[in-house]
Amino acid sequence: NAGVTQTPKFQVLKTGQSMTLQCAQDMNHEYMSWYRQDPGMGLRLIHYSVGAGITDQGEVPNGYNVSRSTTEDFPLRLLSAAPSQTSVYFCASSYSLRRSNTEAFFGQGTRLTVV
Amino acid sequence: RKEVEQDPGPFNVPEGATVAFNCTYSNSASQSFFWYRQDCRKEPKLLMSVYSSGNEDGRFTAQLNRASQYISLLIRDSKLSDSATYLCVVILISNFGNEKLTFGTGTRLTIIP
Repeated sequence: NAGVTQTPKFQVLKTGQSMTLQCAQDMNHEYMSWYRQDPGMGLRLIHYSVGAGITDQGEVPNGYNVSRSTTEDFPLRLLSAAPSQTSVYFCASSYSLRRSNTEAFFGQGTRLTVV
Repeated sequence: RKEVEQDPGPFNVPEGATVAFNCTYSNSASQSFFWYRQDCRKEPKLLMSVYSSGNEDGRFTAQLNRASQYISLLIRDSKLSDSATYLCVVILISNFGNEKLTFGTGTRLTIIP
């Protein structure tokens, strides 16, 4: 079982560069989401999706785009990287949150540094 | 005001002690609540769900107080292996009616030998 696969694990970008963080899950989960984690800030929700073709903004969406063309994949795009986007990024997936007590599974994280 | 708030700690407690964390949430319509655990430089993992009547899993007890909009986690007879960050998680409803999984800032716990 692959679970949630997140790539790359580490990345260094120059200011202004663009890149895509990949997230794939093989559990047929409806819900997928992206978080960033900074020291003392916990996990802040960037974007999320409740199913293919549906996305919504979270707490800190600026500078990031997402799409959900398939159930399995939920890529996160940084359009023009800024040093403020230096962070650890986590992708998570779960069955629909309308189900009782559904568990979220996380990828191993991407450590992104923007210089 | 953040939607889910926790005391960030750190909590430094001796091995064998009992420690409790609280978490408050802002949306009274929230229906589901969880505690996740995150080890240093690792991804979060589910510790336990929080049921309306309260629930226990070994040394861990979770409670929900809907009237005051807070949840709690009690750890009894703490072990060195309990050292981690504990994250309060709430399912909130967005302005568009979609559910979203929202995390508190986390409480760091260190168990001292």
